[in-house]
Amino acid sequence: GAVVSQHPSRVICKSGTSVKIECRSLDFQATTMFWYRQFPKKSLMLMATSNEGSKATYEQGVEKDKFLINHASLTLSTLTVTSAHPEDSSFYICSAPPDREVIGYTFGSGTRLTVV
Amino acid sequence: QKEVEQDPGPLSVPEGAIVSLNCTYSNSAFQYFMWYRQYSRKGPELLMYTYSSGNKEDGRFTAQVDKSSKYISLFIRDSQPSDSATYLCAMGAGGYNKLIFGAGTRLAVHP
Repeated sequence: GAVVSQHPSRVICKSGTSVKIECRSLDFQATTMFWYRQFPKKSLMLMATSNEGSKATYEQGVEKDKFLINHASLTLSTLTVTSAHPEDSSFYICSAPPDREVIGYTFGSGTRLTVV
Repeated sequence: QKEVEQDPGPLSVPEGAIVSLNCTYSNSAFQYFMWYRQYSRKGPELLMYTYSSGNKEDGRFTAQVDKSSKYISLFIRDSQPSDSATYLCAMGAGGYNKLIFGAGTRLAVHP
């Protein structure tokens, strides 16, 4: 089946630094990638949608300068949390929509970010 | 009113019980419906995917969609402790655009 490989799975960083999270689609092309944030015991909140070859679309209330999204190729999308603060600590998950051979949306394994 | 309503639980059942999980929605444009299982600190994994009203069965899992009532269900038969997880309903309109998720129901199956 389709796999989205997400790295790192866990990262701890200092306040003020930037952190990059990568999501790669394996064995299929993901022209679109959805980026979610999840707080403990809460559901997934869509942050933005990245599209290969064009600018990302951000949901209302999400700071585009803080959460930089790049969709460099048909198999790679990245989320960079810039100038991280403790309130950015969360679980970040990417997801690719179905294509011709993939049923359902495929999720990465998630990245737990802790900003100290 | 939220687009998708799901009781967050927690729901605690004994091993072997039949579990019923439900979501209601308000947007009649939703065309496809999914159930995901999420273990703690992991990404969601797809359990069931349905496109039309009716039932779909896969092993111990049955997904039910009633578009007229805007109501979907997931039934788990012979529940196992390994089924303990959070179950998220998700739905979307045409074109494989963004999914709208329910709040997730935390399920605990105790031996």
